[in-house]
Parts: sequence; structure tokens; C-alpha cells
Amino acid sequence: RKEVEQDPGPFNVPEGATVAFNCTYSNSASQSFFWYRQDCRKEPKLLMSVYSSGNEDGRFTAQLNRASQYISLLIRDSKLSDSATYLCVVNRDGGSQGNLIFGKGTKLSVKP
Amino acid sequence: GAGVSQSPSNKVTEKGKDVELRCDPISGHTALYWYRQSLGQGLEFLIYFQGNSAPDKSGLPSDRFSAERTGGSVSTLTIQRTQQEDSAVYLCASSLQQGNEKLFFGSGTQLSVL
Repeated sequence: RKEVEQDPGPFNVPEGATVAFNCTYSNSASQSFFWYRQDCRKEPKLLMSVYSSGNEDGRFTAQLNRASQYISLLIRDSKLSDSATYLCVVNRDGGSQGNLIFGKGTKLSVKP
Repeated sequence: GAGVSQSPSNKVTEKGKDVELRCDPISGHTALYWYRQSLGQGLEFLIYFQGNSAPDKSGLPSDRFSAERTGGSVSTLTIQRTQQEDSAVYLCASSLQQGNEKLFFGSGTQLSVL
């Protein structure tokens, strides 16, 4: 099993749609989880952290399921500007490799 | 500027040549990371620095790759005897301290080895 695994997509959705991405991770000791966003030919930027109780930031909701070792990101009322690749990031807590392991990303394309 | 600065933004080189990539992190950020991203692929960790020391070099793909950081600030990534498979975008990121996962990325250096 890969350390961090994501469905590469692409997810093609109309404006206003709700879309959800899942990410699975292999290290049960991981403690911290994040979603980063990467626009085409741009650098990644932190979108939001993922907390155990789940958290919301405007139209974005992140959930963590430790038992099943997966993280989800829900985007409601999607906008054209949400089109990007969404990277799931897991902290290999206490481990090496700079601690942060990036998934390959899920590509989202929001159409008019 | 206030962000992470990388130079050059693009580098085209011939196979076998050495290249040096530079990263200037955000002032005050003690942790600095190097990643590379091949077309359509995820980020591959290379090395990170806490201050001037590199506790983890395990991601460097071969002994042709080396990195240093001086004065707790600027870092250079050197690739000797470049190969075509080294072609990728090399991304640098910094954070306030190691373990703080809010990384601020530079815009990267696109390296093309012909």
C-alpha cells in the first residue's frame, strides 16, 4: 500500500456541484493531516488542516477517519476558481523524510 | 519580497553538466525543504534543513545530488553530471520550524536536461 494514495481523477463537475475527494494513508501512527491545493504550473499552497473532529472552512469541509485511515475533502457549491489539483498530505509523525508525505493529487475541473 | 524565492526559474542544460539551484526562504523560517515534481507526478521529498544542518538526506536520489544551507538562510541544491531523468520542477519550501506543517513554497526551478 502506498503511503498516501489518492484517486488521480480528473473530476469534471459543473459549477455549483458538490464534490468529494478521498485519500488513504498507510501509517497508522500518523498524527497530522492536510489538504494542499496546486494550480496548474504553480506551487502548492496550504488549503486547510484536517482535525480529528472534522473541520469546515467556508465551502470546504475536511474529515478524518482514523479507524479506516482515510481523509476526505468536500467542496460545496463549486466555483470555476476551484479548478486545481488537491494534494493530500500526511505527517509521518516521528519519522524521517521531512515528516510530510504528499499524495500525487486529485485533479478537479469545474466547468461553466 | 516576502515569499520563498527560487532561482533560476528555468534551467536548460546538457547531459553531464553540473547545475546549481538556489532557494531563499522566508526570513525567520528555520526549516527548509527541497522537493522535486516530475510532470504529472506527486512531490518527491529530497532533503530538509533545520537551521544549517540536514537531519534527513534520505530522499536524495543519488550521490550526484547534494545540498547545503549557510547562515540559516539561503540553500543551494547541486546536481552533478546531470542525467535526463533529473528533468523536473525542483521546489523549495520553508516553514517557521521543523514540525510546523504549514509550508510556504517557492515557484520552483524547471530543470530540463537535454
